Amino acid sequence: SQQGEEDPQALSIQEGENATMNCSYKTSINNLQWYRQNSGRGLVHLILIRSNEREKHSGRLRVTLDTSKKSSSLLITASRAADTASYFCATFSSGNTPLVFGKGTRLSVIA
Amino acid sequence: NAGVMQNPRHLVRRRGQEARLRCSPMKGHSHVYWYRQLPEEGLKFMVYLQKENIIDESGMPKERFSAEFPKEGPSILRIQQVVRGDSAAYFCASSPGPGGTLHFGNGTRLTVT
Repeated sequence: SQQGEEDPQALSIQEGENATMNCSYKTSINNLQWYRQNSGRGLVHLILIRSNEREKHSGRLRVTLDTSKKSSSLLITASRAADTASYFCATFSSGNTPLVFGKGTRLSVIA
Repeated sequence: NAGVMQNPRHLVRRRGQEARLRCSPMKGHSHVYWYRQLPEEGLKFMVYLQKENIIDESGMPKERFSAEFPKEGPSILRIQQVVRGDSAAYFCASSPGPGGTLHFGNGTRLTVT
C-alpha cells in the first residue's frame, strides 16, 4: 500500500527559483528518504532523515521532518534545468519491512 | 564498483508466455527488493529477498508471480502466463541491510502484446 503522498503532483518553475515538495505519511517511521528519478531510469537516492532528526542539508537540498504531523518537505534551492525529474519520498518503519514509496512529484525546471 | 544490473532492459512477450527478469545486486549487498511502476505512478513494492530467503512477499500477486535469490547468481522475478495488465517497468534495488539506502537498477520494461 502507498505510505507517502507527495504534494504537489506536478510543479513547474523557472530556473533559479526554489522548489518545495511535500510528503505526508500514515504510520510511525524509523527514517524517511527522498529519491529522484529521471525519465526512463532507476531511482537515485538523495537524502535520508531519521525520525529523531528535524532538518538535514545536502548541497542545494534541504529536508525537514515533522513526526508530529507525519510530514516531510524537500527544498531544492536555485533550481537548474537538470533538476527536472520526478521526486519520491519513501518511508522505512522497522525491522525487515521494505521501503514504501509515494506517487511522486514531477518537477519541471524551465530554462 | 558496478551498480545494480538488470536485464533485459526491454522485454516483449505475447499473452500466455513467461517473462523472466534478472537482477544482479551491488557487490556486497545481500538484500534485494523488486518494485513495479506503471506510467506516471509511484513504485509499488512486490517482494523483498535475502540470499535463499523470501523475507516479505506481501506485494506479490498470489498467482503467476514468483521470485528467488539463490546462493549463487542473480535474483529472478518470474511471471508466468503474462497478461496485458502485467505491462509495466519492473525495478530491482539492493541494500547491504534493511532500512538503509536503496540502490536501483535501470529497470526492465515489460510489454505484453
